[in-house]
Amino acid sequence: KAGVTQTPRYLIKTRGQQVTLSCSPISGHRSVSWYQQTPGQGLQFLFEYFSETQRNKGNFPGRFSGRQFSNSRSEMNVSTLELGDSALYLCASSPPGTSSGELFFGEGSRLTVL
Amino acid sequence: SQKIEQNSEALNIQEGKTATLTCNYTNYSPAYLQWYRQDPGRGPVFLLLIRENEKEKRKERLKVTFDTTLKQSLFHITASQPADSATYLCALGFSGGYNKLIFGAGTRLAVHP
Repeated sequence: KAGVTQTPRYLIKTRGQQVTLSCSPISGHRSVSWYQQTPGQGLQFLFEYFSETQRNKGNFPGRFSGRQFSNSRSEMNVSTLELGDSALYLCASSPPGTSSGELFFGEGSRLTVL
Repeated sequence: SQKIEQNSEALNIQEGKTATLTCNYTNYSPAYLQWYRQDPGRGPVFLLLIRENEKEKRKERLKVTFDTTLKQSLFHITASQPADSATYLCALGFSGGYNKLIFGAGTRLAVHP
């Protein structure tokens, strides 16, 4: 079974630009969560989608948004990039029928903002 | 304020010994706690989950304890091997929180031959 796939793996943007990251969950997984990882703040929850609906959101500004498609694939978007948005963005999917949040992470998309 | 603290310094141990990592939290009431392993440049990998009504869980060479009175979890790796060298993250989960986890900063473990 293929794991969680994130694209692109690496990207470089400049301040003010916007970026879209993509995540394909494990087949059969309907929940997709996004996390930001930085050396200073560690792993921080961005949002979670289930059946195309956002069902939880972290404390990030509105520049961070996401969506989920009917095939459970998800995208997140960051608009008006700032230097502080440089981070590893991790997507995770969770199997159906679990309420305990065991997450299967992808390898991440490393964003550098110049 | 709310916080999760893991061993701030790297943990260096000799191969074959038991590694013990701590996770302390303040002003949280988690329904469960998870441990993940993360290698450099990779995403975290799930290891163990323990619920608030459980005291101890084991999986092969791994053991986790959860003391909700002390607000602490201990993670043990017995008979450690150099391949166990990685960063270990604890994460708190909550009832009704779905898959939102609050992660600690992680402890870097180095197992020396």
